[in-house]
Amino acid sequence: ETGVTQTPRHLVMGMTNKKSLKCEQHLGHNAMYWYKQSAKKPLELMFVYSLEERVENNSVPSRFSPECPNSSHLFLHLHTLQPEDSALYLCASSRTAGETQYFGPGTRLLVL
Amino acid sequence: SQKIEQNSEALNIQEGKTATLTCNYTNYSPAYLQWYRQDPGRGPVFLLLIRENEKEKRKERLKVTFDTTLKQSLFHITASQPADSATYLCALPKGRSGYSTLTFGKGTMLLVSP
Repeated sequence: ETGVTQTPRHLVMGMTNKKSLKCEQHLGHNAMYWYKQSAKKPLELMFVYSLEERVENNSVPSRFSPECPNSSHLFLHLHTLQPEDSALYLCASSRTAGETQYFGPGTRLLVL
Repeated sequence: SQKIEQNSEALNIQEGKTATLTCNYTNYSPAYLQWYRQDPGRGPVFLLLIRENEKEKRKERLKVTFDTTLKQSLFHITASQPADSATYLCALPKGRSGYSTLTFGKGTMLLVSP
C-alpha cells in the first residue's frame, strides 16, 4: 500500500450522470494530482494542487471539476461525460509539488 | 516540443537473464530522471531516482544509468524473475528549477518467462 487510497475502484456511468471520485492520502504530503490513463497512451496530467491551491490545469474539459478541501483529500467531480472519457483515473501525492509521486490504485471508469 | 521515448514493443526475456529497458528524451535538460513500475490496472510505483550528476544508481537487483550527453537512461533488472513482469515507466520533470511536474513516457512492458 502506498498510503494513497481511491474510491470507488470501478465506476460505470451514463453520459447524463453526475458522480465524484475521491482520493485520500495518509502521508502528510502537500501536493496532490489527478491523472488520466487511457489504453496505449502515456499518463496525462490533469490537475495539480499544492497546499490546497490549484497550480496546474492542463486544458481539461469543464465536465471534469476538481476539488481539494484540505491537503489530505482530493475529489474529481464528473458530469455529462463522453464515452472517450472512459479510462483509469489515478490520484497521486508528493511531499511538495514536483517531488517523487505516490500513486493510488486508480478508479476504472466506463462511460456508456 | 519535449518528448520521451520508450520502446513500445514488449520485452520478452527468460528468467535469470538481465532485462534492459531504454528511455530516450529530447528537448529536456532534466536535473533528474525517475523510473516507476506499473502492474495492470494499478497505479505506478516509484522505483528509483537518478540525478544528472550521477552516472549510475543501484537498488538491489535494479540498476539505472543516466547519460545526459546521449539524453538516455537505461534501466536494468539483473537475475530477472517472473514477478518482475510489469510495465516500466520513465518520468522527467518539465523544468529544471523549483516546482515542476513530471511527464511520463508510455512505458515498456517486460515479460519474464519461467
